[in-house]
Amino acid sequence: AQSVAQPEDQVNVAEGNPLTVKCTYSVSGNPYLFWYVQYPNRGLQFLLKYITGDNLVKGSYGFEAEFNKSQTSFHLKKPSALVSDSALYFCAVRDMQTGKLIFGQGTTLQVKP
Amino acid sequence: SQTIHQWPATLVQPVGSPLSLECTVEGTSNPNLYWYRQAAGRGLQLLFYSVGIGQISSEVPQNLSASRPQDRQFILSSKKLLLSDSGFYLCAWSPGSSGAGYTFGSGTRLTVV
Repeated sequence: AQSVAQPEDQVNVAEGNPLTVKCTYSVSGNPYLFWYVQYPNRGLQFLLKYITGDNLVKGSYGFEAEFNKSQTSFHLKKPSALVSDSALYFCAVRDMQTGKLIFGQGTTLQVKP
Repeated sequence: SQTIHQWPATLVQPVGSPLSLECTVEGTSNPNLYWYRQAAGRGLQLLFYSVGIGQISSEVPQNLSASRPQDRQFILSSKKLLLSDSGFYLCAWSPGSSGAGYTFGSGTRLTVV
């Protein structure tokens, strides 16, 4: 069965420091991976995706993610965190049989000034 | 460009009352459509998805139902709401291509009192 895991419920980082939000996946075949961000009482917004190609994917708002096939990971990163980056982040993998996205449980990112 | 509309934004309903939440997509045809529920600002629970008019798949047996009367319209309903139906409801769409992610609506905050 295909699955995705976000091992941290919450990540705390100081403004200006680099941030990493972790995601690992389990799929058969080549994965299609996604990151979304959700601000309070809002819908999820697409940040970036990995389908194929370069392992380092750049997305919206200065975020990037690194696909690591050997570690089955797709961690979200940003070199310098902003207070406005504080939100709930979801990793997702596409189930290639059904076409549906399988979401992780989400990680709350708290950036403190 | 494609847009997704979801309404209402907030709703307070008494226990036992009916429910109808509507979601429409513009700028595309034959989208895959999804209803999610999010409890307590955390994980996403897929409730229903649809790959075409009149085609509804239910992921979780419950007090809710979904219908797709038109290609770009997806409705979430209940005949009698329960307290446990409270939550944040999200509609999403995706094209049929395997590399695409989801685009989410802005969500409906439902409180059953």
